Amino acid sequence: EIVMTQSPATLSVSPGERATLSCRASQSVATNLAWYQQKPGQAPRLLIYGASTRDTGIPARFVGSGSGTQFTLTISGLQSEDFAVYYCQQYNNWPPVTFGRGTRLEIK
Amino acid sequence: QVQLKESGPGLVKPSQTLSLTCSVSSGAINSGSYYWTWIRQHPEKGLEWIGYVHSSGGTFYNPSLQSRLTMSLDASKDQFSLKLTSATAADTAIYYCVRGMLNFDYWGPGTQVTVSP
Repeated sequence: EIVMTQSPATLSVSPGERATLSCRASQSVATNLAWYQQKPGQAPRLLIYGASTRDTGIPARFVGSGSGTQFTLTISGLQSEDFAVYYCQQYNNWPPVTFGRGTRLEIK
Repeated sequence: QVQLKESGPGLVKPSQTLSLTCSVSSGAINSGSYYWTWIRQHPEKGLEWIGYVHSSGGTFYNPSLQSRLTMSLDASKDQFSLKLTSATAADTAIYYCVRGMLNFDYWGPGTQVTVSP
């Protein structure tokens, strides 16, 4: 089973600034990686798949990059609604698909 | 816009069967070749993929749960379901029904299931 490690666990950033979230896979997942956003009391929401393709309706300020074992989600011009928990998920080696433990993005 | 909603008992006794149903917005379950997945979220362990059922009825399960798990789909009711036998406290989680095979674009709001005497 592939282990996904996210860092940092918590990231404090001011509104309007840029946040950079990292995700590392225990072995190569090519570009078979997705990112999700979860707000309190809500289900996760798909942001990015294929490491860099935004899902329908996702703003351009969300940018995914990386391949192999190292991935980054960059959020530019942070808005109040962006403060949430973010998860990465690999679907290259399955079953099972596996998720990271999340990065909490909080207001500085 | 596809809508999903989980339903089922919020409390299950240990050793009993955990049963959940997901209702999908009308006509969506058979509108294409879609996969319908269950994912659960533990406070300590995070998100865990349980398995999927295809619109054709085919299934694929997480190997760690396979021996206890059955999923099925009833297109006439726009529903799919999960049965997990021999429940333990480790099955306590929020259960989500989701559309997708490998990444997941539509989610239900989730339902809390607690396994306790």
